[in-house]
Order: sequence, then structure tokens, then C-alpha cells
Amino acid sequence: KAGVTQTPRYLIKTRGQQVTLSCSPISGHRSVSWYQQTPGQGLQFLFEYFSETQRNKGNFPGRFSGRQFSNSRSEMNVSTLELGDSALYLCASSPRDSLNEKLFFGSGTQLSVL
Amino acid sequence: GESVGLHLPTLSVQEGDNSIINCAYSNSASDYFIWYKQESGKGPQFIIDIRSNMDKRQGQRVTVLLNKTVKHLSLQIAATQPGDSAVYFCAEMEYSTLTFGKGTMLLVSP
Repeated sequence: KAGVTQTPRYLIKTRGQQVTLSCSPISGHRSVSWYQQTPGQGLQFLFEYFSETQRNKGNFPGRFSGRQFSNSRSEMNVSTLELGDSALYLCASSPRDSLNEKLFFGSGTQLSVL
Repeated sequence: GESVGLHLPTLSVQEGDNSIINCAYSNSASDYFIWYKQESGKGPQFIIDIRSNMDKRQGQRVTVLLNKTVKHLSLQIAATQPGDSAVYFCAEMEYSTLTFGKGTMLLVSP
């Protein structure tokens, strides 16, 4: 079974631009979560989508948004980029049923904002 | 303000030793806990999990211990190998959201 796939692997943007990151979950997984990882703050939860609906949202400004498609693939968008948005953005998928809540992570998209 | 890089606690061991990585969690309502391993340039990799109705769970070379009284979690790695060198995170889950600890760097020397 293929793992969680994130594209692109690396991105360089400038302040004020916007960016869209993509995530393909493990086949059969209906939940996709996004996390931001920085040296200063560690791993922080952004949001979770399940069956195309946002179920949870972390403490991030409205510039951070996401969506999930009917095939469970997900995208996240960051608008009006700031230098502090430079981070590794990680996507995780999960079956999210009563027997299995394990999250499996992709390798991430490394975003650099100049 | 200026962001400061995390100064990860580091555990240095010799190959073949047993390693114990500790984690304190904050939310007494958390009912599910996971240990992840993250190697450089990769995403976190699932190692082992435990539910709050258990106090010990064993996997291949790894054991997780949960002490709910003091909100403490530990990961024991038997016969540590150089390939175990990585950053290890504990995470607690509540309402489908993982809250990660700051991580511990494990360095294994041959």
C-alpha cells in the first residue's frame, strides 16, 4: 500500500504570495490532518478533514485554510505569506474508525518564505 | 519576537544498550497516546501506541509504559541500534487531535 504522498517536496515563495500544498492519503483512509513543524514551536495541529468536512481546527489565523475532495485527497492553502510561515508542513492520514485512530505521516512539504 | 530554536533533550547511548525516553503529558482527559520517530528529512513514523485503559504495551524491541497518576509516558527501546538514531516524539490525542511533546533526540554510537 502506498504511503501518504505530499507534493511538492520543497517550495520557495516570497512574502505576500499564496501557496497551495497537496496531500494524497493512504488508500481507504478518510481522515486527513495537517501539521506545521518549526524549530521554535515544534509540531502544531492546523486542521483535520473527514469526508470533505473540517472536523477540527488549530489555533492558526484565517490565512491558513484547507479542503478535502471526495477521493479524500486534501489541499491546504496559505495566503499572504509571512516570513514566519517558513516551516515543514506535514499531512497525516488515518482510517479514523473506532478500532484504528493511528495517524500516518507523509514526508512533508518544506516551505521557505523569503 | 524572535523565535528561538528548540533545544531538544538528547540521549546518547552505545549500540546494544537499552534506551528509555521519557515524556510528560498535560491533559488528564487524553485517552490515546502514540510514540513517533522522526529521522532527518522525513515525516514522523509511527512506532507504538497505547490507550489509557492500559499501562504497558510491547512491540518489536519497543515497550511503552503509561503512568496516568503522574501523567508520564516512557518508550523503552531494547538493544538500541545505530538506525534508531532520530528524534522521538510522544503525542496525546483528544478529540481526534494530536498534541506533540517537544521531542528527544536519540544518538546511538557504534
